[in-house]
Amino acid sequence: KNEVEQSPQNLTAQEGEFITINCSYSVGISALHWLQQHPGGGIVSLFMLSSGKKKHGRLIATINIQEKHSSLHITASHPRDSAVYICAVRFQGAQKLVFGQGTRLTINP
Amino acid sequence: GAGVSQSPSNKVTEKGKDVELRCDPISGHTALYWYRQSLGQGLEFLIYFQGNSAPDKSGLPSDRFSAERTGGSVSTLTIQRTQQEDSAVYLCASSLRSEFSYEQYFGPGTRLTVT
Repeated sequence: KNEVEQSPQNLTAQEGEFITINCSYSVGISALHWLQQHPGGGIVSLFMLSSGKKKHGRLIATINIQEKHSSLHITASHPRDSAVYICAVRFQGAQKLVFGQGTRLTINP
Repeated sequence: GAGVSQSPSNKVTEKGKDVELRCDPISGHTALYWYRQSLGQGLEFLIYFQGNSAPDKSGLPSDRFSAERTGGSVSTLTIQRTQQEDSAVYLCASSLRSEFSYEQYFGPGTRLTVT
């Protein structure tokens, strides 16, 4: 059983829509990462957070430690946002990252 | 500055052959990680190096897999007697240190195809 669950697995939306991708994890963590992977491309780290909220451009990431849940939001979505978004966590006391299965986002013009 | 680089970008090999995958971390980064992304699967941890400490090999799937890191910089992941199930994208990442507060920077990956 994967200790990191993402939803939805696939998401298709129209340009301009507000996007939310969710990530839940099983036990306490020291850090949570949101990663972006374009088709055929490498992985880019979007955010690393351990509490609260971070914003970068049209991207917002939030985390609720008590509920063991994080969300990635994209405002005013654009076709270039189409990618796989991956949640990864570092559980307390561990060094390695454990990854969610990813959310494939497609933004249609 | 230069990011994490990996070579080769693509490797096709015959079943049973050995392969070596190389990772050059960002200069000054003491922590280095190898991950694997199999077709249709998520990312999985393979091995982790931090400075001169013994590596965490807990993610290596079999004894055919090994990795070393020379001089605290370049790392090589070796797969012996490759099998078709080894086909995947192998990703390397580095961070300044291993503590959780440091971000990991990913390389572009090596796509391995075992025929």
